[in-house]
Amino acid sequence: GIQVEQSPPDLILQEGANSTLRCNFSDSVNNLQWFHQNPWGQLINLFYIPSGTKQNGRLSATTVATERYSLLYISSSQTTDSGVYFCAVGVEYGNKLVFGAGTILRVKS
Amino acid sequence: GAGVSQSPSNKVTEKGKDVELRCDPISGHTALYWYRQSLGQGLEFLIYFQGNSAPDKSGLPSDRFSAERTGGSVSTLTIQRTQQEDSAVYLCASSAEILYEQYFGPGTRLTVT
Repeated sequence: GIQVEQSPPDLILQEGANSTLRCNFSDSVNNLQWFHQNPWGQLINLFYIPSGTKQNGRLSATTVATERYSLLYISSSQTTDSGVYFCAVGVEYGNKLVFGAGTILRVKS
Repeated sequence: GAGVSQSPSNKVTEKGKDVELRCDPISGHTALYWYRQSLGQGLEFLIYFQGNSAPDKSGLPSDRFSAERTGGSVSTLTIQRTQQEDSAVYLCASSAEILYEQYFGPGTRLTVT
C-alpha cells in the first residue's frame, strides 16, 4: 500500500520562529489533508490541499502532486501551535485516509 | 453548525464484554469513516460508509468488529468479546461526498481491562 512519511518526527521551536513540515507519499492520491491534533486528541482540519498552495493566517501549505510531496509552513509560531501535525492522503475509490506518523511540535515561550 | 459527535467519550470495559460506539456525522454528509488511533499503530482506517452501504471493510482487524449505519446518518461500531489489544481511541469522520474533505469527531477512548 501507499507509504506516507513525515519529517521531522520532532521539532522544538522558540516562540516567534518559523518552521516547515514535510510530507512525502509514494503513489498518486485523490487528495491530501493536514491536521493538528490538540492536547485533548481532537483532530483539527488545517488544509484540504490535493494540489497548489493555500494560506490561512500564519499557516500555509503547498502540495506538488506530480512530485508526491506536501509542505506545511508555520510562521511566527505560538505556544498554542504545540501538538502533533498529521498529513493524510486519500486513496482508492472510497477516499480512505492513510496517515503519516506525525510531527510532534513543541513551541517554547 | 454542529460537528461530528461521538459517544461515549470514554469507555472502560472488561475483557470479553461487547461494546458499542456511536457516531453522529455532520448533517447531510453522505460519507462516514471509522478510524482507530493506538500507540503502536498510529492512525488507521477501519471501514467507510457511502449512505448505508459499507463498500470497504478492509481495515476491520477481526470478525469481532462490525459496523452499521442507518438512515444515512448515525453509525454504530460494535466490538464483540473485547480484548486488551482493542484499547485505543476510535475516531469517526464524515464528508459531504466521497473525495471531499473529512471532518473528525472527538473520539471514544476505549480501555479494556
